[in-house]
Amino acid sequence: SQQGEEDPQALSIQEGENATMNCSYKTSINNLQWYRQNSGRGLVHLILIRSNEREKHSGRLRVTLDTSKKSSSLLITASRAADTASYFCATGGTSYGKLTFGQGTILTVHP
Amino acid sequence: GAVVSQHPSRVICKSGTSVKIECRSLDFQATTMFWYRQFPKQSLMLMATSNEGSKATYEQGVEKDKFLINHASLTLSTLTVTSAHPEDSSFYICSARVVRGGAEETQYFGPGTRLLVL
Repeated sequence: SQQGEEDPQALSIQEGENATMNCSYKTSINNLQWYRQNSGRGLVHLILIRSNEREKHSGRLRVTLDTSKKSSSLLITASRAADTASYFCATGGTSYGKLTFGQGTILTVHP
Repeated sequence: GAVVSQHPSRVICKSGTSVKIECRSLDFQATTMFWYRQFPKQSLMLMATSNEGSKATYEQGVEKDKFLINHASLTLSTLTVTSAHPEDSSFYICSARVVRGGAEETQYFGPGTRLLVL
């Protein structure tokens, strides 16, 4: 079963706005990762945050992790139409190497 | 960055036939690869973990005789859907595990294979 739950399930914004997606999980983790998937394509790794980290940045991406609340958020600043995609969080736990994916957020950025 | 390829990208077959999907790591060696299945507008469901030189580990509910996995080399894993039926139609994605310094690791994903069983 999928551990992660993401909200919102769908997000529609205008170009230039910020997009925030949230992910919650249930069990203890070693790390949490965010992936992006364009329609009908494979996944692209965006960012990994370890369980002992609280915030991480990569370009226009900002990820936070709150292990006490078992939640993470992905912020995309100054969004572009090309950011339109599905975004998934995935947790890496005690099963070495295995990832458990959230349900995903479908982001649509209107030009 | 690490590149993973899948072949074929799309396949249509008749019910009852078997289909083989290849997953290759192009510029690195992967001792562990993973196979996922994804239905439209849904998330990825892990099917099995493919380990080079040993038997695959299947997730609960995944039939090992239905989905045969072979990881014969450090750059190639294959998934064979045996006696495919329409309910096996799905998007199949593989990934290869990469471990860097310390405990940081990630997975690089192939572009996926869309299977349609008529």
